[in-house]
Amino acid sequence: GENVEQHPSTLSVQEGDSAVIKCTYSDSASNYFPWYKQELGKGPQLIIDIRSNVGEKKDQRIAVTLNKTAKHFSLHITETQPEDSAVYFCAASRPPPFYNAGNMLTFGGGTRLMVKP
Amino acid sequence: DAGVIQSPRHEVTEMGQEVTLRCKPISGHDYLFWYRQTMMRGLELLIYFNNNVPIDDSGMPEDRFSAKMPNASFSTLKIQPSEPRDSAVYFCASSARAGVSYEQYFGPGTRLTVT
Repeated sequence: GENVEQHPSTLSVQEGDSAVIKCTYSDSASNYFPWYKQELGKGPQLIIDIRSNVGEKKDQRIAVTLNKTAKHFSLHITETQPEDSAVYFCAASRPPPFYNAGNMLTFGGGTRLMVKP
Repeated sequence: DAGVIQSPRHEVTEMGQEVTLRCKPISGHDYLFWYRQTMMRGLELLIYFNNNVPIDDSGMPEDRFSAKMPNASFSTLKIQPSEPRDSAVYFCASSARAGVSYEQYFGPGTRLTVT
């Protein structure tokens, strides 16, 4: 099955700096790569996602890049703010095996991002 | 919409007791997922349903775990008998196959402690 590795496990940056989190995946058939943010005491929340037919996607201060050949994708957060402090998870999913099969996500181990004011 | 609703938010029980976790998905969503989160194993998919039918339960750790979805607005995850190693945060998530959107919306989770 799919295996997703995420690095680093913890990341501390100064407010205003950029943060980069990297993930690698093993299944070359995976075609959907979401990123989730989990704040303390809450469930993960989708912040951005990318599909395999796109190399890069941006949404304000957040961007994700995908290298299908190398099987890795990254999350970039620019101009970090204290409210960006949270645990971030990458995930990967392959196309559903049959029509009504859902989107089975395999998650990375998570990165605890701390933004110091 | 209120989002995905889970109850209870916290559960403390003794080893050997039966535990039932509950989930109400977002109205109109036809996929429901149960996840378990631990420090050691991270976020793991246990089972998921489509239109109330279990599609894949390969992540269910053992026969002590069972899940049901009697209707489109309610699902349960039951552990019987519970063991200390079942202590974790259990999340329910739902999604709708709307166009190409695969976003899974997570509930706030149930923190289970088995002593």
